[in-house]
Amino acid sequence: DQQVKQNSPSLSVQEGRISILNCDYTNSMFDYFLWYKKYPAEGPTFLISISSIKDKNEDGRFTVFLNKSAKHLSLHIVPSQPGDSAVYFCAASEDAGKSTFGDGTTLTVKP
Amino acid sequence: DAGVIQSPRHEVTEMGQEVTLRCKPISGHNSLFWYRQTMMRGLELLIYFNNNVPIDDSGMPEDRFSAKMPNASFSTLKIQPSEPRDSAVYFCASTLRGYNEKLFFGSGTQLSVL
Repeated sequence: DQQVKQNSPSLSVQEGRISILNCDYTNSMFDYFLWYKKYPAEGPTFLISISSIKDKNEDGRFTVFLNKSAKHLSLHIVPSQPGDSAVYFCAASEDAGKSTFGDGTTLTVKP
Repeated sequence: DAGVIQSPRHEVTEMGQEVTLRCKPISGHNSLFWYRQTMMRGLELLIYFNNNVPIDDSGMPEDRFSAKMPNASFSTLKIQPSEPRDSAVYFCASTLRGYNEKLFFGSGTQLSVL
């Protein structure tokens, strides 16, 4: 039973446009949500997070939205840049640091 | 600041051999996690430690897997005996529990069991 799902394995967008990556979860006990970015041959790196008491968090070009009733979160990147091309993992936590990860979405930003 | 350091970066071994993966967490962090990434199962948590004490090892696949954290600056993940299905990328991550939730990952160990 996969508790965190990223249903789109891949996404391709044009440079300058918006990238929207989606994530769904099933466990109501999750209280903190994170996005990580991963380049080949490297470990995931933290990108942005949101607490369950909020519905939006913004950091520069990156915004995460949380819809608790739908158990859904999304990551918006605007404007998208070629350097954003990577695998993006959604993660959810109910215990400090112990995170459950989705399978990842490969984002390709075309120049 | 040095990040999480894992060694070796690559390990190729034959079925039945013992494999030991090593991790040095970020200084000052009090929680350490071992994750495994495969095509079939994605990133899955194997075990995590708080203040050097194993808290949850429910993700450890079999008794062939064991992990230790003898002190705050070192952890090992051992597979004995190794099998081809253990081939994966193994990541170590650390965090400061109670501060925030984000994990700092090492670069991983690519394990190939022939």
